[in-house]
Amino acid sequence: KNQVEQSPQSLIILEGKNCTLQCNYTVSPFSNLRWYKQDTGRGPVSLTIMTFSENTKSNGRYTATLDADTKQSSLHITASQLSDSASYICVVPTYSGAGSYQLTFGKGTKLSVIP
Amino acid sequence: NAGVTQTPKFRVLKTGQSMTLLCAQDMNHEYMYWYRQDPGMGLRLIHYSVGEGTTAKGEVPDGYNVSRLKKQNFLLGLESAAPSQTSVYFCASSLTRGGNTEAFFGQGTRLTVV
Repeated sequence: KNQVEQSPQSLIILEGKNCTLQCNYTVSPFSNLRWYKQDTGRGPVSLTIMTFSENTKSNGRYTATLDADTKQSSLHITASQLSDSASYICVVPTYSGAGSYQLTFGKGTKLSVIP
Repeated sequence: NAGVTQTPKFRVLKTGQSMTLLCAQDMNHEYMYWYRQDPGMGLRLIHYSVGEGTTAKGEVPDGYNVSRLKKQNFLLGLESAAPSQTSVYFCASSLTRGGNTEAFFGQGTRLTVV
């Protein structure tokens, strides 16, 4: 069964500290993985996409990694800010036939950055 | 710069009432989706559309109906609301259904059925 598992479920860190969020997936065949950020009361917004051949990609203070062999991805946030408080959702497309994909969502990690 | 817009943002229904959620996108995307998000669960696909005039069932379609009469609009209907349909509903759209395509989400509709 295609699954996306995220850990931890929630995380509280002090402003200015770093943190790492984890995503394990069992989707096959694998094409890519996206990290979305969902602010409270808003819809998810894409942060970055990791394709099969990419190991590391940075977007400002966010750095995503991918290990396709172990089927793991991480999202590292550097020098956290209060505005980083949000849920971070790992999403992997699942092939559904005829060139189409459906998205498999993780349950998300709720990050709280406190002053 | 609207992207995907959902109306209403909040709604309280009594059991058995009906309502329609409206989703509009201005990106000329072919594909549109309705998801529900419940505590402790990932987003789950209710219905989707691959183009004007087409709809298809997703993972959790029971109790919902949809229509896509215009390319830019995707409506989600609840004919007889049940407490189990209390959730946050998200509409999304994408240019393609390829694996690399990005889904753009609306801001959500929080529905409570009492």
